[in-house]
Amino acid sequence: SQELEQSPQSLIVQEGKNLTINCTSSKTLYGLYWYKQKYGEGLIFLMMLQKGGEEKSHEKITAKLDEKKQQSSLHITASQPSHAGIFLCGAEKGAQKLVFGQGTRLTINP
Amino acid sequence: KAGVTQTPRYLIKTRGQQVTLSCSPISGHRSVSWYQQTPGQGLQFLFEYFSETQRNKGNFPGRFSGRQFSNSRSEMNVSTLELGDSALYLCASSLGLSTYEQYFGPGTRLTVT
Repeated sequence: SQELEQSPQSLIVQEGKNLTINCTSSKTLYGLYWYKQKYGEGLIFLMMLQKGGEEKSHEKITAKLDEKKQQSSLHITASQPSHAGIFLCGAEKGAQKLVFGQGTRLTINP
Repeated sequence: KAGVTQTPRYLIKTRGQQVTLSCSPISGHRSVSWYQQTPGQGLQFLFEYFSETQRNKGNFPGRFSGRQFSNSRSEMNVSTLELGDSALYLCASSLGLSTYEQYFGPGTRLTVT
């Protein structure tokens, strides 16, 4: 069963607009990781969240772990073409290291 | 610091053959994990090596194996290739066994015909 659900699966936004991607878990999250992937390439580490309510920013990308630690949101302010790609959330899963969501494909239209 | 490197970047093999992929972790990182990424199944954990020993393993058949050398470099081997093994194979390194913050390489795209 899918442990991490990302929504939406794909997103097309106009350059300059704000957007939000969600990552929901069926279990308590003890560590939530956000990565970005250009198609067919490796994952780029964005940020790690561990405490409920924690919020971190990386350039114009902000991610938050909710208080109940079962959902994380990633927000991009004033989107740019360089933000395009696939965003993946990953959660700590003991011996399995990280389990990932299916990803959100982001397209930025100029 | 140099990032995680993987070789080769692209590979085409025939069903029944075997293949070896290589991964060099970030300097100082001692744990190497391997993941398989496919459009249908997404990103799935294969196994993790630390101190030259396989420490954790995902739900993949025994055809998938690996090893780690004393310099932390790792290799992954897939024997008797099947069409379904076509995927992007990603290597990730982290400082240690209990460290979940992982840094990924560019991947090896394997196509099985």
